[in-house]
Amino acid sequence: DGGITQSPKYLFRKEGQNVTLSCEQNLNHDAMYWYRQDPGQGLRLIYYSQIVNDFQKGDIAEGYSVSREKKESFPLTVTSAQKNPTAFYLCASSRTSSSTDTQYFGPGTRLTVL
Amino acid sequence: AQKITQTQPGMFVQEKEAVTLDCTYDTSDPSYGLFWYKQPSSGEMIFLIYQGSYDQQNATEGRYSLNFQKARKSANLVISASQLGDSAMYFCAMRDGGANSKLTFGKGITLSVRP
Repeated sequence: DGGITQSPKYLFRKEGQNVTLSCEQNLNHDAMYWYRQDPGQGLRLIYYSQIVNDFQKGDIAEGYSVSREKKESFPLTVTSAQKNPTAFYLCASSRTSSSTDTQYFGPGTRLTVL
Repeated sequence: AQKITQTQPGMFVQEKEAVTLDCTYDTSDPSYGLFWYKQPSSGEMIFLIYQGSYDQQNATEGRYSLNFQKARKSANLVISASQLGDSAMYFCAMRDGGANSKLTFGKGITLSVRP
């Protein structure tokens, strides 16, 4: 089945540690995105990538880093510089970065800092 | 800058009845796309329906339809024949036609379907 997978589903991190969230898609989409969702809120864009080996900062990129070495994969690293990392993280992809292309989402990773 | 507004408090609807979820938007770009997503308690964002700014007709997808009123900058989602499984958060989102535009989400509306 085609789709987007994220792992792990739940992640616990101690303060001061970096963690990496996985996102893989087999939809052959060029564009991929990372969003953060806090309780009772909409989604905010962290980073996005329109094509392999290229990515841009979104609205809240501080404390996060990404890579896009393969078309299928767009991992997100939450660094110790992120002041309040506890949140729900959603990865998405779209065929292109055009405004008319729908973004499809993975199941999400819930990160908790202990 | 683009903006999405969803101001309704939690909505309740009786099973099998229709419900309208409101969304207003603001953008200066004549080319844009409007999206509705459903987020059940599991957390996954499920795409429901899309409306392009130049589309002549309102979008429909099964029980979902989009009441697009361009002059009023509104894009309300209509769910017909509500089912218990429709209970979820619903998000309206917009993306304008700029080269590096992003998908902007509203804060969402909680819908509860009563048996």
